[in-house]
Amino acid sequence: SQTIHQWPATLVQPVGSPLSLECTVEGTSNPNLYWYRQAAGRGLQLLFYSVGIGQISSEVPQNLSASRPQDRQFILSSKKLLLSDSGFYLCAWSVQRDRQYFGPGTRLLVL
Amino acid sequence: SQKIEQNSEALNIQEGKTATLTCNYTNYSPAYLQWYRQDPGRGPVFLLLIRENEKEKRKERLKVTFDTTLKQSLFHITASQPADSATYLCALDNANNNDMRFGAGTRLTVKP
Repeated sequence: SQTIHQWPATLVQPVGSPLSLECTVEGTSNPNLYWYRQAAGRGLQLLFYSVGIGQISSEVPQNLSASRPQDRQFILSSKKLLLSDSGFYLCAWSVQRDRQYFGPGTRLLVL
Repeated sequence: SQKIEQNSEALNIQEGKTATLTCNYTNYSPAYLQWYRQDPGRGPVFLLLIRENEKEKRKERLKVTFDTTLKQSLFHITASQPADSATYLCALDNANNNDMRFGAGTRLTVKP
């Protein structure tokens, strides 16, 4: 069966520090991968998606970047965090453009 | 511009009643629409998918309708239970890209 992992679960970082969030998927090949951010009490904002290794599409100009160094690995990064980067970050995968399967999320607090 | 609007931020109902949540969209031509459930501090969980050529789909106590003329989907939970309390999100496939777009969600509270 397929599983998706995200870590860390919680992160508190100072403004200006770097960020690296990792997401890995097991049990499937060549998945579509997604990064979302959810502000408190708000909906999901799509940040990046990837249909293959090295293929990244960015939805929102921002302080963040994404990379897909391996088929089932998706990394979200920042060189310098801003206060506005705080939120709940969710990774998801799908086989086709239909149902998505979400990871447990990372709660990021930038102080 | 493209919009996905879910009828209300919060909905409170009594246990045993039917909950009805609304999802309206503009400037989309989705091939399908999906509903997800999200509990606090967790990722969304897929519930149902309905295609553009389907009017209605059911799964246990859940029913989804899809009206492409009205550009609206209704999500019903019959015989609601306190355990149904959660945020429910609708999502549309974005035909222009290889992704889906989510509504902001409706927080449902079922009171015993």
